[in-house]
Amino acid sequence: QSALTQPRSVSGSPGQSVTISCTGVSSDVGGHKYVSWYQQHPGKAPKVIIYDVTKRPSGVPDRFSGSNSGITASLTISGLLAEDEADYYCCSFTGSHVLFGGGTKVTVL
Amino acid sequence: DVQLLESGGGLVQPGGSLRLSCAASGFTFSNYAMNWVRQAPGRGLEWVSAVSPGADTTLYGDSVKGRFAISRDNSKNTLYLQMNSLRAEDTALYYCARWTSYYEVWGRGTLVTVSS
Repeated sequence: QSALTQPRSVSGSPGQSVTISCTGVSSDVGGHKYVSWYQQHPGKAPKVIIYDVTKRPSGVPDRFSGSNSGITASLTISGLLAEDEADYYCCSFTGSHVLFGGGTKVTVL
Repeated sequence: DVQLLESGGGLVQPGGSLRLSCAASGFTFSNYAMNWVRQAPGRGLEWVSAVSPGADTTLYGDSVKGRFAISRDNSKNTLYLQMNSLRAEDTALYYCARWTSYYEVWGRGTLVTVSS
């Protein structure tokens, strides 16, 4: 089972939008609806921001949105804020394994 | 308040063993699947193991299969991870996390260092 593929880093200015891709294969991202995204600030535990591909837990701003196309899931952060600077991880359940992406560092310029 | 509190980490020599615990509170522990996820220093998240609510099903990542064993005691609201034949590459912060279709709740983690 290989890790899901994410870009190492993305950046944007305050107010802009950034999109993070997460590429797997048909047996994980492409075959299951259990794709989730986590935000992790330095020294803190991860926090879920998107689950089941597109759903947002209560308390997560609607600036965060998720989507899926084939074997690639995406997280979009709209209206970028300084507090969005963090590491972001995608996650997929295959039925027998859980896979994480390698993580993407989002920098707010 | 829903809470997960890991314990049992520490320094261990290569080839040694360690047992981690995760005490759950604020929810009906026996209703949820539970997982261990680890993060090596400066690295990303890696799934380690999962156990079903009734402990009838256990799953393991390829890097720990045959060396680690997950278990739970629903009467004590506690999750465990028995780690044997530890290697330097097992050095990480180990989180326990509650799973539905995603990781809803995370603990703060317990640090395991494998070194001579």
